[in-house]
Amino acid sequence: QVKLQQSGAELVKPGASVKLSCKTSGYTFSTSYMSWFKQIPGQSIEWIGMIYAGDGGTGYNQKFKGKATLTVDTSSSTAYMDLSSLTTEDSAVYFCAIATYYYAYWGQGVMVTVSS
Amino acid sequence: DVVLTQTPPTLSATIGQSVSISCRSSQSLLDSDGDTYLNWLLQRPGQSPQLLIYSVSNLESGVPNRFSGSGSETDFTLKISGVEAEDLGVYYCMQATHAPLTFGSGTKLEIK
Repeated sequence: QVKLQQSGAELVKPGASVKLSCKTSGYTFSTSYMSWFKQIPGQSIEWIGMIYAGDGGTGYNQKFKGKATLTVDTSSSTAYMDLSSLTTEDSAVYFCAIATYYYAYWGQGVMVTVSS
Repeated sequence: DVVLTQTPPTLSATIGQSVSISCRSSQSLLDSDGDTYLNWLLQRPGQSPQLLIYSVSNLESGVPNRFSGSGSETDFTLKISGVEAEDLGVYYCMQATHAPLTFGSGTKLEIK
C-alpha cells in the first residue's frame, strides 16, 4: 500500500536551515507529484509548493518563495524540503502529500520548532 | 488567492444527529476541464488530514456513506447523516482548481 514516512521532529535555532524528508513506497514515485503543507498548531493548513519527481520541476506558493526549496531523489523515492533562515514564525507541523487534485495520501507530519 | 469561508467554526452534536458544514468560495471552483476540485478532509486530533469527499460529491474509498457532499461553483456543503463518536475532529474544505491551493479555516466537530 501507499506509504509516506516523514523524518522526525526538529528543534532548530533562529537563522538556521532544516531539511525535511518524506520517504515513499507503494506507488510509482518517479512519475508523480508531491506537495508540502504547513500547519501551525490550532490553525488551518497552507500549501507551500509542489514538485514533479520526473524532472524536478517545481511550483511554489508566492508566500513561501525563498523560504522553501523542494527536491527529490528518485533513487530512494524520497522527497525533501529545505527551509531556510528560520524564524519563530516557521515553527509548525509540515506535511508531505501525494499531489493529485484529491490529496488522498499524506505523511504523518513533522513538528519543526524554532527556538534559541 | 481563493478564500474559502467555512461555517460554523464549531459544531456540537450528539451521536446519531445529522449535521452540515458550509464552505463558500470567493471565486467559482469550476475548472476549464469541467470538474470542480473542491474536497473535504477530516483531521482527527494529532493526525494528518484524511480525504473524505473529492470533486464536491465523490466519496473516497473506505469512507462511510454517512458522509456526503453537494454544491457547485461557489457554494458547497458537507453533510454527516448520523454522527458517530469517531467523527470528532476538524473538517476542512480545500480547493485545487486555482493556484495556490487553499483551505477553509476549519470546522471543529465536538461530540456531546
